[in-house]
Amino acid sequence: GENVGLHLPTLSVQEGDNSIINCAYSNSASDYFIWYKQESGKGPQFIIDIRSNMDKRQGQRVTVLLNKTVKHLSLQIAATQPGDSAVYFCAVQGSNTGNQFYFGTGTSLTVIP
Amino acid sequence: EPEVTQTPSHQVTQMGQEVILRCVPISNHLYFYWYRQILGQKVEFLVSFYNNEISEKSEIFDDQFSVERPDGSNFTLKIRSTKLEDSAMYFCASRADRGGYTFGSGTRLTVV
Repeated sequence: GENVGLHLPTLSVQEGDNSIINCAYSNSASDYFIWYKQESGKGPQFIIDIRSNMDKRQGQRVTVLLNKTVKHLSLQIAATQPGDSAVYFCAVQGSNTGNQFYFGTGTSLTVIP
Repeated sequence: EPEVTQTPSHQVTQMGQEVILRCVPISNHLYFYWYRQILGQKVEFLVSFYNNEISEKSEIFDDQFSVERPDGSNFTLKIRSTKLEDSAMYFCASRADRGGYTFGSGTRLTVV
């Protein structure tokens, strides 16, 4: 299986600052990783993904970093905005765990105007 | 942008009753999933469905649960004889091939 954990359950940042949300996983065979954003009352929304053959991937204002050596994943949000306030989950899929994803417990990001 | 649609958004049911949660996945997707999220806890995998059969299920998905794709568009989760601990958000998801899911907005099930 897989054990996915997030380092901080809550994070508060000033508007305009950068945010970093971390995630650790346990299965070295995990090869596909996704960050999801979940706003209150809504389902998880895809933000960005990365496969194990990469260590960095950038999107619009978001960057995902993957360190396979220590089994660590991070999400960086540049110039955080009030609309970024949500719970962020990492989801991990392994080549030996079928096609299900294992989710972390989530970090609640609050952006202070 | 294509969406996964779930109905109802909130379902209240008496303990012991049966409920059916409905989902309309994205039309060209082939893989379908149910996840649940108990309040304040992780999103947990229940079951995956491909080619009209269950491809994978978790320990949570016992005989109380069943899934069905009754026609070309709907994907349902049936919970028989609901228990208080079945109260949770239930999310349907779909994907085209190996890649990220698209989740629905969820059905909040409250068992009283």
